[in-house]
Amino acid sequence: AQSVAQPEDQVNVAEGNPLTVKCTYSVSGNPYLFWYVQYPNRGLQFLLKYITGDNLVKGSYGFEAEFNKSQTSFHLKKPSALVSDSALYFCAVRALMIKAAGNKLTFGGGTRVLVKP
Amino acid sequence: DGGITQSPKYLFRKEGQNVTLSCEQNLNHDAMYWYRQDPGQGLRLIYYSQIVNDFQKGDIAEGYSVSREKKESFPLTVTSAQKNPTAFYLCASSIWSSGRAETQYFGPGTRLLVL
Repeated sequence: AQSVAQPEDQVNVAEGNPLTVKCTYSVSGNPYLFWYVQYPNRGLQFLLKYITGDNLVKGSYGFEAEFNKSQTSFHLKKPSALVSDSALYFCAVRALMIKAAGNKLTFGGGTRVLVKP
Repeated sequence: DGGITQSPKYLFRKEGQNVTLSCEQNLNHDAMYWYRQDPGQGLRLIYYSQIVNDFQKGDIAEGYSVSREKKESFPLTVTSAQKNPTAFYLCASSIWSSGRAETQYFGPGTRLLVL
């Protein structure tokens, strides 16, 4: 079974400060990892994903995430947060399987980010 | 939200009524998915379809049904058997491949409320 944990329900940060949203995962074998963002009453928007290779993945809107296999983590980061980054962020994982039972993603519970001016 | 549309934006269900949520995509994706989102919880998979005329149950399929008669369309019916249907429903689609991490793209969602 695969699972994702986002240990913080909410992260508060001042505009211009670095932003980090934490994610840890559990999966059999090598993971595929995703970050999505959701604005109020909207669908999820894809930010970035890790498949293989470089542990630092760069994505949309200045976000990046670092894959750490030994710590089974995939934390989302942004060097300088904007008020417009205030939203709900989801981490998701999929295990690499030879016989995939669907492209099934398992999502974390979400972390609300509030960036204050 | 790209090329995925969901309708209606809000839907009200009366006790004992079946309601159908629409999902259409013009991305030429083979795979489509339905998720349920409850406050404070992540997304939970209801059903998914990898190809036309085939679909699989997800983690919380009870009380729901789907069909996949066309590649572009994957409607979800919330039946009267679903006792707690109030939630935000999200449809997604992706390229289908068994060995790669294809990105899922989401529609804008439908909020279902019970009268």
